Amino acid sequence: ETGVTQTPRHLVMGMTNKKSLKCEQHLGHNAMYWYKQSAKKPLELMFVYNFKEQTENNSVPSRFSPECPNSSHLFLHLHTLQPEDSALYLCASSQDLVSWDRLYNSPLHFGNGTRLTVT
Amino acid sequence: GNSVTQMEGPVTLSEEAFLTINCTYTATGYPSLFWYVQYPGEGLQLLLKATKADDKGSNKGFEATYRKETTSFHLEKGSVQVSDSAVYFCALPGGKGGKLIFGQGTELSVKP
Repeated sequence: ETGVTQTPRHLVMGMTNKKSLKCEQHLGHNAMYWYKQSAKKPLELMFVYNFKEQTENNSVPSRFSPECPNSSHLFLHLHTLQPEDSALYLCASSQDLVSWDRLYNSPLHFGNGTRLTVT
Repeated sequence: GNSVTQMEGPVTLSEEAFLTINCTYTATGYPSLFWYVQYPGEGLQLLLKATKADDKGSNKGFEATYRKETTSFHLEKGSVQVSDSAVYFCALPGGKGGKLIFGQGTELSVKP
C-alpha cells in the first residue's frame, strides 16, 4: 500500500474516445502531480497542484485536462489522444511545495501508475 | 538550472556482484540528492537520500555519498540480489518549489 492509489491500472482507448485517470492519496498531502513515463525517455512532469490550485503546466497539449477537486483527489481527463501518448502515467503527492524542499521525509510518494495504450 | 545525468543501462549482473550506478549533477547551491527505485509494474519509491555534502544515504544495503568535489552521488551495493532488479533514478530539486528533476533511469537486471 503506497498511500497513493491510481485507477485504472491499465487502459486501452481509441483516438476518438474520452476517458479519465483517477488518483487518490490518503497521506494528508497538499500537493499532487502528474508525470508521464515513456519508454527510453526521462520522466516528464506534466502538472502540479498545490492546495487544489494548478501551479505548473509544462506545455502539455490540451488533449490532457487535469482536475483537482480537493487535496486528496486528482484526475487526468483524456480526449482525442494520439498513439504517441501511450505511456505509463504516474501520480504523486507531497506534503506541500515548500516543506519538501527541506527534505527530511520523502519528497514524493508515487502511485503504481496507469498503463495507457492509445490505438 | 539544475540537472542530473546517470549512466545508461541496462546493467546486467550476477547475484552477489558489486553494483555501481553513476550519477552526476549540476546545481545551484547544495540541494538534497535522492535515489528512487521502480520495481516492475510499480511506481517510483524513495530508496535513499542525502541532504548535505559528505552525507551518506543508505537503505536496504544500498549506499550513496554526496560528493560536492566531484558533483556525484553514485549508488552502490556490495552484493546484489535478484530482487534488486528494477530501474533506478537519481534526482534532485530543480526550479521552483514542487519540481523534482529525475535522471533518465538505469535498468538493473540481476541473474541468479
